[in-house]
Amino acid sequence: GDSVTQMEGPVTLSEEAFLTINCTYTATGYPSLFWYVQYPGEGLQLLLKATKADDKGSNKGFEATYRKETTSFHLEKGSVQVSDSAVYFCALGSGGSYIPTFGRGTSLIVHP
Amino acid sequence: KAGVTQTPRYLIKTRGQQVTLSCSPISGHRSVSWYQQTPGQGLQFLFEYFSETQRNKGNFPGRFSGRQFSNSRSEMNVSTLELGDSALYLCASSLGGASDTDTQYFGPGTRLTVL
Repeated sequence: GDSVTQMEGPVTLSEEAFLTINCTYTATGYPSLFWYVQYPGEGLQLLLKATKADDKGSNKGFEATYRKETTSFHLEKGSVQVSDSAVYFCALGSGGSYIPTFGRGTSLIVHP
Repeated sequence: KAGVTQTPRYLIKTRGQQVTLSCSPISGHRSVSWYQQTPGQGLQFLFEYFSETQRNKGNFPGRFSGRQFSNSRSEMNVSTLELGDSALYLCASSLGGASDTDTQYFGPGTRLTVL
């Protein structure tokens, strides 16, 4: 079945550092890929998405490129802020399912 | 447009009791999904309702149940609470299409503590 694997956290960075959170997936067919973010005390919210190979999703300075050849969708940001501290979830959605498959989440802590 | 709302936000119960959590989806959304989030297990899917019918079910015991009303509002019930049921319970609503084209919108969650 479909699965998503994220790097273990927490990821701890200083403000203005470069961020990469790795995400790889296993799926049949051609899934869509998502990154959700969960800020402290809140539910998850969609950060960005990509629906086909080589698509780049972007939002709030975050980017992720759908790489079919490496089955990856790594999240990147050039300069993180303290306000980016949150848990980030990679997820995939397929035409054969009504429920997305979520990774376990990666906690990001950004220090001033 | 109002977001997904969940009530109550916090609950404290004792072992053996039962609890009911409520979720009001975004207007027009017909699908409501429930998830359990814990530090050890991450985000686990409980069940999904679409047009008042349970359409998908995760791997949880029968103590966990749910229902959806004609206005798409949903409730989940946990009977005979155990300490391990302490978690953040998240509700998500969507239009109800396939997950590659649809987007889930999450509520803030209900924090359940079982003593």
